[in-house]
Amino acid sequence: ELKVEQNPLFLSMQEGKNYTIYCNYSTTSDRLYWYRQDPGKSLESLFVLLSNGAVKQEGRLMASLDTKARLSTLHITAAVHDLSATYFCAVPIIQGAQKLVFGQGTRLTINP
Amino acid sequence: EAGVAQSPRYKIIEKRQSVAFWCNPISGHATLYWYQQILGQGPKLLIQFQNNGVVDDSQLPKDRFSAERLKGVDSTLKIQPAKLEDSAVYLCASSWGSYNEQFFGPGTRLTVL
Repeated sequence: ELKVEQNPLFLSMQEGKNYTIYCNYSTTSDRLYWYRQDPGKSLESLFVLLSNGAVKQEGRLMASLDTKARLSTLHITAAVHDLSATYFCAVPIIQGAQKLVFGQGTRLTINP
Repeated sequence: EAGVAQSPRYKIIEKRQSVAFWCNPISGHATLYWYQQILGQGPKLLIQFQNNGVVDDSQLPKDRFSAERLKGVDSTLKIQPAKLEDSAVYLCASSWGSYNEQFFGPGTRLTVL
């Protein structure tokens, strides 16, 4: 059974600081997705990582994928309050499948 | 491009009542998903449609949940009868290909009293 684990589950940080959210998964996968969810809102797609070594950046967020280590990271640079949200990673249940298994989510709070 | 539409946005019912949710995916998206998101957890897939056929319903509690996607476009998810533990947000998502990301609707927040 595929397990997707995020670390940490809760993160409180100050504006201007850097931090990394980790996503580990238990079986082989060629893809990984990152989503953002604001309180009471739906999920917004952030990144689609399609191969080993893939790195994508959007503003202050950068995501990477290491399929050999079964690990993805979401790095936040010089955090700002607007990035406060819950971040989810998701992995296909088997390679090539569309069914995704989501991590528990990392609730990020950025304080002024 | 219009996003995934869902209705209603909120629903409060008593246990043992029935409820239905509606979803209209992004135009041209062949694949439609229904997820259940319990407070504080990640979404869990209930059912996946490819056009109007079911691809995966392994986690759908079939004794009380049903879903259909007539004509391969919009879809309804029904719960009958509802239980307290069905209180959650029900998210609909769609995608157009095997490797494309899923786009989520605003969700329906269900409270069962």
